Amino acid sequence: AQSVSQHNHHVILSEAASLELGCNYSYGGTVNLFWYVQYPGQHLQLLLKYFSGDPLVKGIKGFEAEFIKSKFSFNLRKPSVQWSDTAEYFCAVNPPFSGGYNKLIFGAGTRLAVHP
Amino acid sequence: GAVVSQHPSRVICKSGTSVKIECRSLDFQATTMFWYRQFPKQSLMLMATSNEGSKATYEQGVEKDKFLINHASLTLSTLTVTSAHPEDSSFYICSGAGTANYEQYFGPGTRLTVT
Repeated sequence: AQSVSQHNHHVILSEAASLELGCNYSYGGTVNLFWYVQYPGQHLQLLLKYFSGDPLVKGIKGFEAEFIKSKFSFNLRKPSVQWSDTAEYFCAVNPPFSGGYNKLIFGAGTRLAVHP
Repeated sequence: GAVVSQHPSRVICKSGTSVKIECRSLDFQATTMFWYRQFPKQSLMLMATSNEGSKATYEQGVEKDKFLINHASLTLSTLTVTSAHPEDSSFYICSGAGTANYEQYFGPGTRLTVT
């Protein structure tokens, strides 16, 4: 079945460590890609998105993601995490042939805990 | 940024009753609204997509007669859980999208508990 996979379910880091969260999708054709973050007790917020163009996308709060078409991947990175980055991170794909709607399919999420 | 609200934030109802959840886009017109369900420590599962003035499109496995969706205006969509059962207890999240940029703006969610 077509899907979005996030391989790291739970990540624990110390402050200043580098972060990379994996995201792979299995849809062929043109896709739009997103990373959302959900801080404890808050609603989902968009970190960054990729539609076309430069495959290295920069988002808010120092996050970036790289689209590698040949690997069907859209990994999220941050060179130096902070305690305030503790949250759950969701990769999402707007698959092709969505019938004209902005439908999103989400990965299972990665829970990041950053220790001071 | 665009703001989406949901009401109520929490609701407890008895088994067999119906409950309505409202989703409002406060500062933009949401031509499309989406309803998701999120189980504890799991991802968001898309339940249905609705365009203003049209019937909702439900994802496979979602009972359309149980989860009634109405999108009567560009700023309001409602989800009614009919004849609720304990297994319907979950966190329901809506989102709204404008016309062209594929970005969805999410509401804060509604926690439904069916006793």
